[in-house]
Amino acid sequence: DAGVIQSPRHEVTEMGQEVTLRCKPISGHNSLFWYRQTMMRGLELLIYFNNNVPIDDSGMPEDRFSAKMPNASFSTLKIQPSEPRDSAVYFCASSDGQGAYQPQHFGDGTRLSIL
Amino acid sequence: ELKVEQNPLFLSMQEGKNYTIYCNYSTTSDRLYWYRQDPGKSLESLFVLLSNGAVKQEGRLMASLDTKARLSTLHITAAVHDLSATYFCAGPNFGNEKLTFGTGTRLTIIP
Repeated sequence: DAGVIQSPRHEVTEMGQEVTLRCKPISGHNSLFWYRQTMMRGLELLIYFNNNVPIDDSGMPEDRFSAKMPNASFSTLKIQPSEPRDSAVYFCASSDGQGAYQPQHFGDGTRLSIL
Repeated sequence: ELKVEQNPLFLSMQEGKNYTIYCNYSTTSDRLYWYRQDPGKSLESLFVLLSNGAVKQEGRLMASLDTKARLSTLHITAAVHDLSATYFCAGPNFGNEKLTFGTGTRLTIIP
């Protein structure tokens, strides 16, 4: 069974550019989470979706960040315009919300560097 | 919102020794998760603890949950180098699927 698939694995871009991160959750999972991990702030939840609907976006840092989930098998996290302080590893995770407290399964992450 | 505290943040131990990582959380919760992260890698689920008194074991790792004390522990028995990693505990927020993660414990096993 394929796990959570994220792309790209690495992204290096200049400040001010638009960045789009992509995620394909595990088939059959109906909850999807976007996290950001930095040394200073640890692992932070940015937003999560249930059945493609955003449930909690209170962790989204500011209006420069947006996330969509147009269907059950695809989600994007967009940063526009990007800033150096956005440099981090971004993880996508999915879980089977219908199961009895199943763990979240994480993708390999996107390592983002904003110059 | 749930707050999760782990200690210690860093742990260096010799092979063959035993040690415990502690995870305290701020509000009542009926479940707790443990994850492992190797450097530069993703997070891997280790244990899901679903009730008070739950104990789970996998190899040299054993996790337990005391919901009354709001405490979970991850015990390492006779550590080996392969266990070097960062370990996170995470607890759910009431009424939704959000997990709050602890700061992580970076474990280094010295030969």
